[in-house]
Amino acid sequence: GAVVSQHPSWVICKSGTSVKIECRSLDFQATTMFWYRQFPKQSLMLMATSNEGSKATYEQGVEKDKFLINHASLTLSTLTVTSAHPEDSSFYICSATDRDQETQYFGPGTRLLVL
Amino acid sequence: GQQLNQSPQSMFIQEGEDVSMNCTSSSIFNTWLWYKQDPGEGPVLLIALYKAGELTSNGRLTAQFGITRKDSFLNISASIPSDVGIYFCAGQRSGTASKLTFGTGTRLQVTL
Repeated sequence: GAVVSQHPSWVICKSGTSVKIECRSLDFQATTMFWYRQFPKQSLMLMATSNEGSKATYEQGVEKDKFLINHASLTLSTLTVTSAHPEDSSFYICSATDRDQETQYFGPGTRLLVL
Repeated sequence: GQQLNQSPQSMFIQEGEDVSMNCTSSSIFNTWLWYKQDPGEGPVLLIALYKAGELTSNGRLTAQFGITRKDSFLNISASIPSDVGIYFCAGQRSGTASKLTFGTGTRLQVTL
């Protein structure tokens, strides 16, 4: 149980375009989802926390207008990277917690390459 | 954002050897977690620690929650090739909706 999926697993896009990444909890209801970014050989850095039906809370230094997060249902959160630039190329990982909010279950990640 | 300090940063060991790595913080956490990440994948939870001083095992893995609540260590006994990967600690504070702060990571490579 407690499986989180992400789609797509990798994406290549042109600079200036927008990219949407989906995060789904497959067998549980995720009241809270988290989005992380990981650059090569670095750790995971939290970008934002999203609760179902409410606006996401962004970490300091993360532009909310550039990284749009929608958590419209208890099983789906989306991250849209708007007007992507090469420096946005990274590994984006989501995680989700169920109602007890004690354990975070991580997705397999989405690798984004912006040309 | 804040990161927890892990040491060593990387290590090469021979199959069968024991491994020890630790994680320190300047502030207190109520929960300590250890994850393993394989290349191109998301992190997978190995061990969770909920009480200061707690020692918990999961197969060949043993982790301890430091008494001061500012550190934790992870031991792997009798390493095998599939132990290769990056190990991250993560701290969690109560009342933060399970938000995690990750460590800098320890890269483990096992030679035959």
